[in-house]
Amino acid sequence: NAGVTQTPKFRVLKTGQSMTLLCAQDMNHEYMYWYRQDPGMGLRLIHYSVGEGTTAKGEVPDGYNVSRLKKQNFLLGLESAAPSQTSVYFCASRNTLTFTDTQYFGPGTRLTVL
Amino acid sequence: QQPVQSPQAVILREGEDAVINCSSSKALYSVHWYRQKHGEAPVFLMILLKGGEQKGHDKISASFNEKKQQSSLYLTASQLSYSGTYFCGTAISNFGNEKLTFGTGTRLTIIP
Repeated sequence: NAGVTQTPKFRVLKTGQSMTLLCAQDMNHEYMYWYRQDPGMGLRLIHYSVGEGTTAKGEVPDGYNVSRLKKQNFLLGLESAAPSQTSVYFCASRNTLTFTDTQYFGPGTRLTVL
Repeated sequence: QQPVQSPQAVILREGEDAVINCSSSKALYSVHWYRQKHGEAPVFLMILLKGGEQKGHDKISASFNEKKQQSSLYLTASQLSYSGTYFCGTAISNFGNEKLTFGTGTRLTIIP
């Protein structure tokens, strides 16, 4: 099993450009999450999904959109990138069937917006 | 509202013990602990549930004080491999606890 994978690993954008980050998991998890991590801020939730076709806003959703057309994929979109969106983005999935309720994180995408 | 972690950073010599605290202003259902090494993804350590027992594996253990809405992570006889940033994530309920709220982290540095 690959676990949780993210594409791309690094990206540099100019202000106003758009892009999509892809998260894929092969563990058949229902719940998927997108976080951003900034120095001193910890992990902040952008959007999440509790199943195929559903999405919900997290703590910092402005400037981002998401889609969950397939259970294994969760896409994060930036329509018009801003320097404030420079961050490391982590995707995670969660197994709701086990008692331990673990979230598994992907390796991250480092995004720089100039 | 983010849980508050303390200390923000700590430096220890190999073999010393460490305690990391996580406090919330809300009533909690569960507390999750993660460790993140530099440039890597967070990795799950353990979960503590309301009404559950203290957890632990190897020389890392944790407790959950439901009355104070606090959790503490204990690292005993620390090893170089324990270095990293530790995050607590909190959930306020089991029903609909689709998301965790993470603290800002505690950076632990172990030196030889």
